[in-house]
Amino acid sequence: EDQVTQSPEALRLQEGESSSLNCSYTVSGLRGLFWYRQDPGKGPEFLFTLYSAGEEKEKERLKATLTKKESFLHITAPKPEDSATYLCAVQGAGGYQKVTFGTGTKLQVIP
Amino acid sequence: EAGVAQSPRYKIIEKRQSVAFWCNPISGHATLYWYQQILGQGPKLLIQFQNNGVVDDSQLPKDRFSAERLKGVDSTLKIQPAKLEDSAVYLCASSLALAGRTDTQYFGPGTRLTVL
Repeated sequence: EDQVTQSPEALRLQEGESSSLNCSYTVSGLRGLFWYRQDPGKGPEFLFTLYSAGEEKEKERLKATLTKKESFLHITAPKPEDSATYLCAVQGAGGYQKVTFGTGTKLQVIP
Repeated sequence: EAGVAQSPRYKIIEKRQSVAFWCNPISGHATLYWYQQILGQGPKLLIQFQNNGVVDDSQLPKDRFSAERLKGVDSTLKIQPAKLEDSAVYLCASSLALAGRTDTQYFGPGTRLTVL
């Protein structure tokens, strides 16, 4: 069974203080790893898809990287509007190739 | 492009009552998903449709939950009878690709269900 573990569960940063969120996974044949952002009372919003180890993608202050066992979401010089829960998910090659989500990291950026 | 629409946004019911949720996916999206998200947890897949056929319903509690996707477009998820542990946000998502292909899922705003 595919598994996704995210750490830390919660992270509090000062504005401008860079950090990284971790997503460790076990999956039978990785088809894709996804990062989503979820604001309170809203559905997850797509950020990135990574397909193979070594791949990196960037969007504004966010950069996602992928290895064979984990992915990192690096946040550079965060702003208060980056406060949200960040969800990691994997799609494996087994079963109906369903997507399995982690429990998320709740990020709070303080002005 | 319009996003995934869901209704209602909020619903409060007594245990043992029934409830239904509606989802309209992004136009042209072949695959539709229903997820259950309990507070503090990640979304858990309940059922996955490709067009109007079920691809995966292995985690759907079939004794009380049912879902259909008529004409391969809109979908409804029903709970009958509801239990206290069904209190959660029910998310609908859709993706362009056929089931089994790696593709981005786009989520609706969700329906927050409270069972008293």
